[in-house]
Amino acid sequence: EAGVAQSPRYKIIEKRQSVAFWCNPISGHATLYWYQQILGQGPKLLIQFQNNGVVDDSQLPKDRFSAERLKGVDSTLKIQPAKLEDSAVYLCASSLWGTANTGELFFGEGSRLTVL
Amino acid sequence: GENVEQHPSTLSVQEGDSAVIKCTYSDSASNYFPWYKQELGKGPQLIIDIRSNVGEKKDQRIAVTLNKTAKHFSLHITETQPEDSAVYFCAASVKDMRFGAGTRLTVKP
Repeated sequence: EAGVAQSPRYKIIEKRQSVAFWCNPISGHATLYWYQQILGQGPKLLIQFQNNGVVDDSQLPKDRFSAERLKGVDSTLKIQPAKLEDSAVYLCASSLWGTANTGELFFGEGSRLTVL
Repeated sequence: GENVEQHPSTLSVQEGDSAVIKCTYSDSASNYFPWYKQELGKGPQLIIDIRSNVGEKKDQRIAVTLNKTAKHFSLHITETQPEDSAVYFCAASVKDMRFGAGTRLTVKP
C-alpha cells in the first residue's frame, strides 16, 4: 500500500516570497491534516480536512497560510508571504476515519522549508 | 484547548536497559493517547496507542500506561536496542491530535 506522498521534500526561499506544498494521502482516507513541526518541537496542527471540507483551522495563520483539498483527495498548503519563523517541516497526514481520536495518523516524510 | 507536556526532553540509556517517557495532558475529555516514533528525515510513525477505557497496553517490548485521574500516561521500552534510538512523541486527542514536544532517546551499544 502506498503511503502519504509529499512534495517538494526541500524548499529554500527568501522572506516575503511564496511557496506551495502538495500532499497525496493514502487512498480511501477520509481525513487529511497539515502539521507544522519547528525544529525541536512536536507537530502542531494547522488544518484538518474531512473529505473536502475544513474541520478545524483554528491554528492556521490565515493572513498568510491557505490550504485546500481538491475533490476530497490531494491537498495543497500555501504560504504567502513567507516569514523567517515559517522555517519548519510541514507534515501531511491522513487517517481512515472521520476524526483524529479514532485511529492512527499516517504521516508523509514532510517538506522542509527554509526561509532566508 | 488540550496541552500536552512531555518529559524528559532527552534520554540516554545503555543497550538492554529500560526507558520510560512520561506525558501529562490538560483536557479531561481526551480519550485517545498514541505514541509516535520519528526517525531522522522521516515522518512520525505510530508505535502504540491506548484509549481511555484501558489502563495498560503492551506490545512485545513496548508498553503504555494511563492514569486518567492524574491525567498522565507513560511509555515503557524494555530491553532497549540501538535501533530504538529516535525521537518519541506522545499525543492526546479529543477531536484533534495535540503532540508533546518530544523525547530524544539514545541507546548506547
